[in-house]
Amino acid sequence: EDQVTQSPEALRLQEGESSSLNCSYTVSGLRGLFWYRQDPGKGPEFLFTLYSAGEEKEKERLKATLTKKESFLHITAPKPEDSATYLCAVQDAANAGKSTFGDGTTLTVKP
Amino acid sequence: SQTIHQWPATLVQPVGSPLSLECTVEGTSNPNLYWYRQAAGRGLQLLFYSVGIGQISSEVPQNLSASRPQDRQFILSSKKLLLSDSGFYLCAWNGAGGDTQYFGPGTRLTVL
Repeated sequence: EDQVTQSPEALRLQEGESSSLNCSYTVSGLRGLFWYRQDPGKGPEFLFTLYSAGEEKEKERLKATLTKKESFLHITAPKPEDSATYLCAVQDAANAGKSTFGDGTTLTVKP
Repeated sequence: SQTIHQWPATLVQPVGSPLSLECTVEGTSNPNLYWYRQAAGRGLQLLFYSVGIGQISSEVPQNLSASRPQDRQFILSSKKLLLSDSGFYLCAWNGAGGDTQYFGPGTRLTVL
């Protein structure tokens, strides 16, 4: 059974204080790993898809990396508007199209 | 570009009442469609998915059912709501080949 564990559950940062969010996963064959941002009361917004170990993707202050067992979402010099819950999900190659989600990390950035 | 709609945005229903939530996708054909439920502070639990009209797979035994009467329409239903059905319901789609899912705005359901 596919599993996704995200840590920490909550993270409080000062504006400009860089940090990383972790997503550990267990899957028989990784088809893809996905990062989403979710604001309160809204649907998840897609950020990145990673397919193979060693792959990295960037968008503004966010950078996602992938190893064979985990992914990191690095946040560089965060701003208050980066406050949100960040969700990680994996797709198993044997179950194409269906994703398993972690419980998310809630990030709060204080000015 | 593709757009996904859900309605209603919020719903308050008494226990034992019926339910119908609707999801429609624009700008794509033959999408895979998904219904998820999200409890407060938790991740997403997959409820149903569909790869085509009339084709529904259920992931979790429950009080809910799903239907796909048209290519880009996905409906979540219940004949009698339970208190435990309260939550945030999300519809998502991806292309016929799978991969990245894109989510709608969600429906907040409160059962009293």
